[in-house]
Amino acid sequence: AAGVIQSPRHLIKEKRETATLKCYPIPRHDTVYWYQQGPGQDPQFLISFYEKMQSDKGSIPDRFSAQQFSDYHSELNMSSLELGDSALYFCASSLRRPPDTQYFGPGTRLTVL
Amino acid sequence: SQQGEEDPQALSIQEGENATMNCSYKTSINNLQWYRQNSGRGLVHLILIRSNEREKHSGRLRVTLDTSKKSSSLLITASRAADTASYFCATDSDRGSTLGRLYFGRGTQLTVWP
Repeated sequence: AAGVIQSPRHLIKEKRETATLKCYPIPRHDTVYWYQQGPGQDPQFLISFYEKMQSDKGSIPDRFSAQQFSDYHSELNMSSLELGDSALYFCASSLRRPPDTQYFGPGTRLTVL
Repeated sequence: SQQGEEDPQALSIQEGENATMNCSYKTSINNLQWYRQNSGRGLVHLILIRSNEREKHSGRLRVTLDTSKKSSSLLITASRAADTASYFCATDSDRGSTLGRLYFGRGTQLTVWP
């Protein structure tokens, strides 16, 4: 069965640089979620999209933005990177109604030097 | 925070033994899901239990949900070394504005010794 695809899997950036993370949800899933997991921490919700519209916003810094495109893939754009942004970034997809299982991608490990 | 604590934070057992992990949450929910994560890897979905269900089984996994106590438990029977991982519970709110957002517990690190 098709899974959530994330790219790149690993990314190394310098402070103040920008990064773009991509997510391709499971086909026919209408909702995409982004989560951030710091070292030794639990995943924290960042933002979600339903049918290409932002549906919910969590603890996402103003330096980050995201969107969902017509083909349902999503991109998380991160600017002015800080050392503290180093983390695993997960994308998950699901069917919105009824609230159902969220399937997670393998994650993008971002390291900011 | 919607989530409380997971208990225990770390669990170390021998192969063949059963492992029980607990999690608590604070507000009303639609579903509770359990995920597994190998060190630094992706989150693998294990099982989902809806708020109107009390128990669910999947292979060697058994999940219970007590909405009156706002708690859930995950039992892994006849554990194997390959079960070594972190286990997270995650709840989603029944409030429309945050529909679908998952709140994770801090996780239980399970180590199964051969």
